[in-house]
Amino acid sequence: EPEVTQTPSHQVTQMGQEVILRCVPISNHLYFYWYRQILGQKVEFLVSFYNNEISEKSEIFDDQFSVERPDGSNFTLKIRSTKLEDSAMYFCASERILQETQYFGPGTRLLVL
Amino acid sequence: QKEVEQNSGPLSVPEGAIASLNCTYSDRGSQSFFWYRQYSGKSPELIMSIYSNGDKEDGRFTAQLNKASQYVSLLIRDSQPSDSATYLCAALLDTGRRALTFGSGTRLQVQP
Repeated sequence: EPEVTQTPSHQVTQMGQEVILRCVPISNHLYFYWYRQILGQKVEFLVSFYNNEISEKSEIFDDQFSVERPDGSNFTLKIRSTKLEDSAMYFCASERILQETQYFGPGTRLLVL
Repeated sequence: QKEVEQNSGPLSVPEGAIASLNCTYSDRGSQSFFWYRQYSGKSPELIMSIYSNGDKEDGRFTAQLNKASQYVSLLIRDSQPSDSATYLCAALLDTGRRALTFGSGTRLQVQP
C-alpha cells in the first residue's frame, strides 16, 4: 500500500540554523500539507500546496517558513532561522484530489537547541 | 475561533467492552469529519471519515454524526489492548477549505 514518507526521522539543530524537512507524498496525490504537533499539544495545520503554489496557510506559517516541490516527487518545508519554539513533530500529508482524506507520513521530530 | 473539542481522558475500558469517544465542533458549516488514531510518538492514522448524519460502520468501528447537535462520536466494539492510543477528531471547518482542524485527542486505555 503506498505511503507518505518523510526524512529525516529526527533532526537536532542549533537555534538560528536553517532546516529542510523532506516528504515524498503518495504518487497519484495532488494536494500536499504540512502540520506540526508540539509535544503534548494538538496537531496544527501549517500550509497546503496544490498545483505548485500555496493554497492555504495558517498564522503559524510566517516568513520563516517556506515550501517547495523541487521535482515531481519531493515536497519540502524549510525553516529559515529556527527558534526554540519550532521544536515539534512535523507531519507531511497528502490527498488525492476531491477525496477529502489526508494520509499522514511518519513525521520528523525536530529539536532546536 | 472555530474549534474541535474532545475530552482528554484517559478513558479506561476493560478488554472486550465498547469504548465511546466523543467530539463537538463549533462551526455549523463543517461538512467533513475524521477520526484518526495516534500511538505515542507516531503519526495520525486514519480510522474513518463521516460526512452525513447518522452512523457509519467499518469493522469494529462505528462513527456517528449529528450535525444539529454538532457532535461526532466513535464507538469501538470488542476493545483490544492494541486499541490503546490517543484518538483524534478532526474536521474540515469551512466548505472549500482543506486544512484539518484537530481536537486535542482522547487517550483510550484498554485494560487486559
